[in-house]
Amino acid sequence: EDKVVQSPLSLVVHEGDTVTLNCSYEVTNFRSLLWYKQEKKAPTFLFMLTSSGIEKKSGRLSSILDKKELSSILNITATQTGDSAIYLCAVSSGTYKYIFGTGTRLKVLA
Amino acid sequence: NAGVTQTPKFQVLKTGQSMTLQCAQDMNHEYMSWYRQDPGMGLRLIHYSVGAGITDQGEVPNGYNVSRSTTEDFPLRLLSAAPSQTSVYFCASSSIRGQSSYNSPLHFGNGTRLTVT
Repeated sequence: EDKVVQSPLSLVVHEGDTVTLNCSYEVTNFRSLLWYKQEKKAPTFLFMLTSSGIEKKSGRLSSILDKKELSSILNITATQTGDSAIYLCAVSSGTYKYIFGTGTRLKVLA
Repeated sequence: NAGVTQTPKFQVLKTGQSMTLQCAQDMNHEYMSWYRQDPGMGLRLIHYSVGAGITDQGEVPNGYNVSRSTTEDFPLRLLSAAPSQTSVYFCASSSIRGQSSYNSPLHFGNGTRLTVT
């Protein structure tokens, strides 16, 4: 059975800290790995990683895909209170199939 | 920039009632899907569609029906609501024209919070 596991489940840090969120997967037909940020409403897209694009960076956020270890990390440097959210990892597997992890809830304290 | 629009935002139903959750997108996306989000269980796929007239089941389809008569709209019907269907429901869409859908990020609506008593 395809599955995506995220860790930790929750995390509390102070502003300015650096955090690393983990995502591991077991899927039969890996296509891509996606990271989303979910605040109060809709998940918003952050990054997509594929075999041809294993590292992405945008401002203080960066992500790396390790296809050998079947995992990905999402790094956030110099965290701010606005980074507080649930971070979702999803893997696209086969045709029209996205498997989501349960998410990591990040709280950044001022 | 409307994107994916879901209505209503909140709904309370009694057990056995039926209702339809609406989803519309203005991005001309071929792929549309419905997820439910429950604490500790992540997002689970209910039904999806790859174009008008084509629908298929996801991971948790029981108790739900869908149809896709136009590219823009993908309503989700609860036939006889049960307390186990209390959840937050998200509609999501992506483009598959010219590439496989699994290489396109999903765009989500703002969700519908449903409570069944």
